Amino acid sequence: EAAVTQSPRSKVAVTGGKVTLSCHQTNNHDYMYWYRQDTGHGLRLIHYSYVADSTEKGDIPDGYKASRPSQENFSLILELASLSQTAVYFCASRTGVSNERLFFGHGTKLSVL
Amino acid sequence: GQQVQQSPASLVLQEGENAELQCNFSSTATRLQWFYQHPGGRLVSLFYNPSGTKHTGRLTSTTVTNERRGSLHISSSQTTDSGTYFCAIDRGNTRKLIFGLGTTLQVQP
Repeated sequence: EAAVTQSPRSKVAVTGGKVTLSCHQTNNHDYMYWYRQDTGHGLRLIHYSYVADSTEKGDIPDGYKASRPSQENFSLILELASLSQTAVYFCASRTGVSNERLFFGHGTKLSVL
Repeated sequence: GQQVQQSPASLVLQEGENAELQCNFSSTATRLQWFYQHPGGRLVSLFYNPSGTKHTGRLTSTTVTNERRGSLHISSSQTTDSGTYFCAIDRGNTRKLIFGLGTTLQVQP
């Protein structure tokens, strides 16, 4: 089973503070994703990346930055955290060829106070 | 508008009954996948099924691409099947994977 590791598993942040969520995959996958999940909204795509040093905007990128310094690592950065960014964040990875199943990390529960 | 529509939004079954979950998507969508979310939050891949029919255990995924629809059939449901099921598709020819809002399944003993 493909492995995607997120850290931290949970975090409490203050409004206006900087938050960095980290994701590491050992699957040799090209594509990595960041989603947020809120009740009633399913999973919404924030940013994704298909190669190191390049990121793409998803459907809700405002207020978030992403960084892919290597194939294995993909970070989500909230420069100025806001109350509305309280959510569960999931990282995921997939290959771009043949069986393209998406594999998720365990999620990070972020509370902004 | 919502490019991936799932139905029903929720479903309650008695153990042993079958379930049919539907996923309809726009004409520019490709590469359908199904996921299960445990009540505790963990997301698990069930199927990558861009077209045709696939089986694993009591689960069957069918995708009819030219009709822009997919389905997930659960046979002989068990209480451990309770949770939320999501379908997702790639938008157009990208790998921008977009999710539906899910179907919440409750299987009662």
